[in-house]
Amino acid sequence: GESVGLHLPTLSVQEGDNSIINCAYSNSASDYFIWYKQESGKGPQFIIDIRSNMDKRQGQRVTVLLNKTVKHLSLQIAATQPGDSAVYFCAENIWGSQGNLIFGKGTKLSVKP
Amino acid sequence: DAGITQSPRHKVTETGTPVTLRCHQTENHRYMYWYRQDPGHGLRLIHYSYGVKDTDKGEVSDGYSVSRSKTEDFLLTLESATSSQTSVYFCAIRGVAGRDEQYFGPGTRLTVT
Repeated sequence: GESVGLHLPTLSVQEGDNSIINCAYSNSASDYFIWYKQESGKGPQFIIDIRSNMDKRQGQRVTVLLNKTVKHLSLQIAATQPGDSAVYFCAENIWGSQGNLIFGKGTKLSVKP
Repeated sequence: DAGITQSPRHKVTETGTPVTLRCHQTENHRYMYWYRQDPGHGLRLIHYSYGVKDTDKGEVSDGYSVSRSKTEDFLLTLESATSSQTSVYFCAIRGVAGRDEQYFGPGTRLTVT
């Protein structure tokens, strides 16, 4: 199995429910944030991004919320499906760092049919 | 598909031997990155490149070197592999369609015995 999923915070939801995955970031100079999805045996896959001059951005079935006051990022997935089961990572880019990303440790989402 | 391939996909090697991993991209993107992924640590940046022959260190660069002699290839070398370098290695590119997010390759699973 994929060792990346071991010892991660796990969120278990029922198919069709909404999921909320949270992420705290540490650097006030971070100006760009990305959510990635990683399925077993694959590389991280881009889901959605948001810049620090925004507090909300919506995609297809996903919404990212950014609260700069408390340095908090969340990913909301509407009508969660079994195919959404994966490990989700947030990543932050610190202004001036040539696009280098700092990744969170990830949350494992498990969808029960 | 952002046109990133990694080779080899799996490798087992012995402690003390040199190992080179290759990342190949097909779309002339300027920025390329090498990460390692370990349980409990998430993805950590090893080295990155911002152009041919232009490289710099990331968070966990000790024991690794890189080279970029052509836009499309970014090589990661473990000069003398150690068991602590057993990991999954991911290459990423930035700048697809003029955007800032990074796109990841499929990964290389390296085991050092």
